[in-house]
Amino acid sequence: GQNIDQPTEMTATEGAIVQINCTYQTSGFNGLFWYQQHAGEAPTFLSYNVLDGLEEKGRFSSFLSRSKGYSYLLLKELQMKDSASYLCAVRVLTGGGNKLTFGTGTQLKVEL
Amino acid sequence: EPEVTQTPSHQVTQMGQEVILRCVPISNHLYFYWYRQILGQKVEFLVSFYNNEISEKSEIFDDQFSVERPDGSNFTLKIRSTKLEDSAMYFCASSPDRARNTIYFGEGSWLTVV
Repeated sequence: GQNIDQPTEMTATEGAIVQINCTYQTSGFNGLFWYQQHAGEAPTFLSYNVLDGLEEKGRFSSFLSRSKGYSYLLLKELQMKDSASYLCAVRVLTGGGNKLTFGTGTQLKVEL
Repeated sequence: EPEVTQTPSHQVTQMGQEVILRCVPISNHLYFYWYRQILGQKVEFLVSFYNNEISEKSEIFDDQFSVERPDGSNFTLKIRSTKLEDSAMYFCASSPDRARNTIYFGEGSWLTVV
């Protein structure tokens, strides 16, 4: 089975940098996704890692270490609109497709 | 940018009634999925669908659930006899293939069973 852990809540200041960690234990790992989800809305794709290292995409970066079962999402120059839940999801390739197993999400609150 | 569309956005139904949630995946995508999210809980995988058949389903996807692609564009989730615990946001998703890093989610259908 899969097990994904991430902090429940984090608070940060506008303009600052925040790092959201995610650890996982899974069989058949085939990539890790980060999604942003505002309350009552769909998850929105932020980043994807399948190889070790850092992927940068504007204000967002994501890091993966497969040997440690560890990833983080780094958000720079925080804005109030970044207040949302950030979901870590592990992909497992199945016989006919793929499926994502999500963590419980980290609720980020950006304050002035 | 192409998107996955879902209808209805919100449905209230009585316990025991049948519900059909509809999705239009992105047109050139081949893999389709349903996920659900009970209020305050994590997003959970229900089922994946490829080549007109279910490729995988979770323990949640029991006999009361079914999926269908009745024509070339729609992908539906049917809950035959709804229970209170089926109240959740149901997300449809699609991807062009099984290995690429693009899985797009629709805006969701909020189902309330009373």
